[in-house]
Amino acid sequence: DIQMTQSPSSLSASLGDRVTIPCRASQSIGNYLNWYQQKPGKAPKLLIYAASSLQSGVPSRFSGSGSGTDFTLTISSLQPEDFATYYCQQSDVIPLTFGGGTKVEIK
Amino acid sequence: QVQLEESGPGLVKPPQTLSLICTVSGDSISSSNDYWSWIRQPAGKGLEWIGRIHASGSTNYNPSLKSRVTISADMSRNQFSLRLNSVAAADTAVYYCARETGHSFEYHLDCWGQGTLVTVSS
Repeated sequence: DIQMTQSPSSLSASLGDRVTIPCRASQSIGNYLNWYQQKPGKAPKLLIYAASSLQSGVPSRFSGSGSGTDFTLTISSLQPEDFATYYCQQSDVIPLTFGGGTKVEIK
Repeated sequence: QVQLEESGPGLVKPPQTLSLICTVSGDSISSSNDYWSWIRQPAGKGLEWIGRIHASGSTNYNPSLKSRVTISADMSRNQFSLRLNSVAAADTAVYYCARETGHSFEYHLDCWGQGTLVTVSS
């Protein structure tokens, strides 16, 4: 299985901050990397697919970059509704695998 | 728009079988080129992909669960289902169904059900 590593598992940030969330794959996955946002008690929501494509309806302050093994989700200016847990997921190889998540908390 | 809804028992005794159904509206599971997946999440933990089924009927499973999992589809009802045999406490989780869509070799989980909590306890 491909291991997806997200570190740190949590980070603190303030409103308006630029936030970057890293994700590393245990082997090259090209650009087959997706990002999801999950709020407590809710299902995950797709933000970014194919490493850098913005899902329809998702605010443009979210962006994704990277290829191969190293990827980043960036929130350009943190908004109140962005406090949540973010997961990366590889879709290159079965089984699909997720990172452990990064929780963005209020500083 | 596409909606998915999980249904099934919230409590299962070990070592019985967990059975869930996902009802899809706004899309046809028999005609799309999409995959229809199950994912689970234990309380306070991360996401684990269980497996998926394609409109063609082909399935893929997580090797960690493969010996206990069956995913099938009822095209006439636009539903797909999950069966997990010989459950134990470690199978307690919120179970999600989701649509996996895309093209070429690039797929992503773009629509999710709200999730259903299944507790395994005697």
